Amino acid sequence: LAKTTQPISMDSYEGQEVNITCSHNNIATNDYITWYQQFPSQGPRFIIQGYKTKVTNEVASLFIPADRKSSTLSLPRVSLSDTAVYYCLVGESPDKLIFGTGTRLQVFP
Amino acid sequence: DTEVTQTPKHLVMGMTNKKSLKCEQHMGHRAMYWYKQKAKKPPELMFVYSYEKLSINESVPSRFSPECPNSSLLNLHLHALQPEDSALYLCASSPQGQKDYNEQFFGPGTRLTVL
Repeated sequence: LAKTTQPISMDSYEGQEVNITCSHNNIATNDYITWYQQFPSQGPRFIIQGYKTKVTNEVASLFIPADRKSSTLSLPRVSLSDTAVYYCLVGESPDKLIFGTGTRLQVFP
Repeated sequence: DTEVTQTPKHLVMGMTNKKSLKCEQHMGHRAMYWYKQKAKKPPELMFVYSYEKLSINESVPSRFSPECPNSSLLNLHLHALQPEDSALYLCASSPQGQKDYNEQFFGPGTRLTVL
């Protein structure tokens, strides 16, 4: 199972764009890159998933370079409600996902 | 219905008690999961059920006993727990057999305190 490495914490201000990078050097050919968000005392919530290049949905974008050894979650114009822990996971199916340490994002007014 | 429900929300038990956690989903998902999460740590996978059969057991102590009575229900039976077992227990589900979509739907969790 591919291991991921993320910054432990990040700070931002409301309205700024936040980019969280995840390193996954031993990602396998069939692995997808998936990001989850977790608020305190709640279950994680799926944000976005990608395999290569760029994926965008209504809440975030995911950038994946050609070698797929890293990925960057981009949150446009964050608000206070985006304060949470963000997890990057790699795996080929839901039952093969391992949560890493995650990045604790704090958004200030 | 795109929700995973868990009961109870909070549970306090002694080390000699027997209790059960319950999880329910009605999304037709055939894979269900139990995770344990300690404060400021990531969720740790405990068990995976696939089509009501236990497919993954991550070397969890026998004082935790999972059960999947049907495709919508998942239980976690607790017996003779230790104070270090105090944690948030999360249930999740996902469509079975999906190799190209890694979304798990998580419940809100049960906050367990072992005295």
